[in-house]
Amino acid sequence: QKEVEQDPGPLSVPEGAIVSLNCTYSNSAFQYFMWYRQYSRKGPELLMYTYSSGNKEDGRFTAQVDKSSKYISLFIRDSQPSDSATYLCAMTTNTGNQFYFGTGTSLTVIP
Amino acid sequence: GAGVSQSPRYKVTKRGQDVALRCDPISGHVSLYWYRQALGQGPEFLTYFNYEAQQDKSGLPNDRFSAERPEGSISTLTIQRTEQRDSAMYRCASSLQENTEAFFGQGTRLTVV
Repeated sequence: QKEVEQDPGPLSVPEGAIVSLNCTYSNSAFQYFMWYRQYSRKGPELLMYTYSSGNKEDGRFTAQVDKSSKYISLFIRDSQPSDSATYLCAMTTNTGNQFYFGTGTSLTVIP
Repeated sequence: GAGVSQSPRYKVTKRGQDVALRCDPISGHVSLYWYRQALGQGPEFLTYFNYEAQQDKSGLPNDRFSAERPEGSISTLTIQRTEQRDSAMYRCASSLQENTEAFFGQGTRLTVV
């Protein structure tokens, strides 16, 4: 079993839709959770960085962490064509020696 | 090797000196990333290679920072004329190909005194 599971998609939604991206994980020691956005031929860009359980909101983006279920989500409200990219979740433990990424979900927002 | 290997693990240098940080990615991995992480912060993207081509260097903070991957395998991140604000954990990651799962090395802890 992989440490982090993420549906690769592709996911296609109309402009203005609410997008839900998810990852599950197996290691209960993970404490730090990140979401990255990666456009084609560009490096991953950190979108959200959260510690432990709870919600974090930044503009149209909301990250949720449910440690009891080992499940994290990224919600994008009012999705825009410019949101079309690959979204990767990543997580690590308190010691932070190793980061574990999901495989990434490819998102296309159709105008 | 079995994982991403970075060297040195720890580097203490005097302000004004140049440093070179090395990353040996997982064998066969095409994509290589450099990140910087300050204490208590999330990783900050620096630069990204596909094979030997530097696809994105938009995260390099200024022209004192440079990176190369001449043969599409080992990469070196060089910081010239180091400053105290450069002190951080520098992390390298590699993935089999673009937009696939990435694995990080243990990092190099750089301290500029």
